[in-house]
Amino acid sequence: AQSVAQPEDQVNVAEGNPLTVKCTYSVSGNPYLFWYVQYPNRGLQFLLKYITGDNLVKGSYGFEAEFNKSQTSFHLKKPSALVSDSALYFCAVRANSGNTPLVFGKGTRLSVIA
Amino acid sequence: DAGVIQSPRHEVTEMGQEVTLRCKPISGHNSLFWYRQTMMRGLELLIYFNNNVPIDDSGMPEDRFSAKMPNASFSTLKIQPSEPRDSAVYFCASSGGVRGVANEQFFGPGTRLTVL
Repeated sequence: AQSVAQPEDQVNVAEGNPLTVKCTYSVSGNPYLFWYVQYPNRGLQFLLKYITGDNLVKGSYGFEAEFNKSQTSFHLKKPSALVSDSALYFCAVRANSGNTPLVFGKGTRLSVIA
Repeated sequence: DAGVIQSPRHEVTEMGQEVTLRCKPISGHNSLFWYRQTMMRGLELLIYFNNNVPIDDSGMPEDRFSAKMPNASFSTLKIQPSEPRDSAVYFCASSGGVRGVANEQFFGPGTRLTVL
C-alpha cells in the first residue's frame, strides 16, 4: 500500500524568507513523487516530480524538492517566499510499477505574510 | 492543448435531482480519474479508467454514484438522486504518454456542486 503524510496542516512564513513544506511517503518499491499546488477556486496544478536521478528536483515558480530515500521524504522548498505563493500544497506518490493513480496527502496550507 | 475540460463549472440543484458532471481529458491521455474535494475529507479518488475501462471504483460513495467513459475523449459522473452531503468540488484528471507511470496527472478546473 502507498501513503503520503504531510505533517503540517498550516505553514506560515514571512515574505522573503525560505519556506519548507514537509512530505514523507511509504511505498513498496521505488517511488515516483509529485508536488501539486492549488490556488483558491482552481484545480490542482503540477509543480514538479521526482522519477530518478538527481535527488534535487527543480520545478515551476522557483520551487524545488529534495528526495531523501533514507528518510523517505520529499520536502518542498523555495529560497525566498512570495505572498503569491500562498496556496494549498499537495504531495503525492506512486510506486514505479503498475499504472495506478497517485496517492495524495491531505495538503498543507501555506500562508506567506508580507 | 486546452487541458482537461469540465462542465458545468458550477451546479446548484435540489435534493433528489439527478446531476451529471462531464469531463473531456487531454487528447492522447489514456487514464482518467474522478476526485471529490471537501473541507472535511480532503481530496478523495472516486474512480479511475484506463483505456476507457473502469479499473477501480472502490472510492464511489454508494450506488447513487455512477461513472462512464464511452470513448477516449469523454466521461461522465452521475449522481442520482443527489443529497446535500454530495455538495463538494468534483475534479476530473487525466494522464498518459510515453513515460507511462511516470506521468503526472493533469487536473481540470473542477465542478462546484451544491445540493440544497
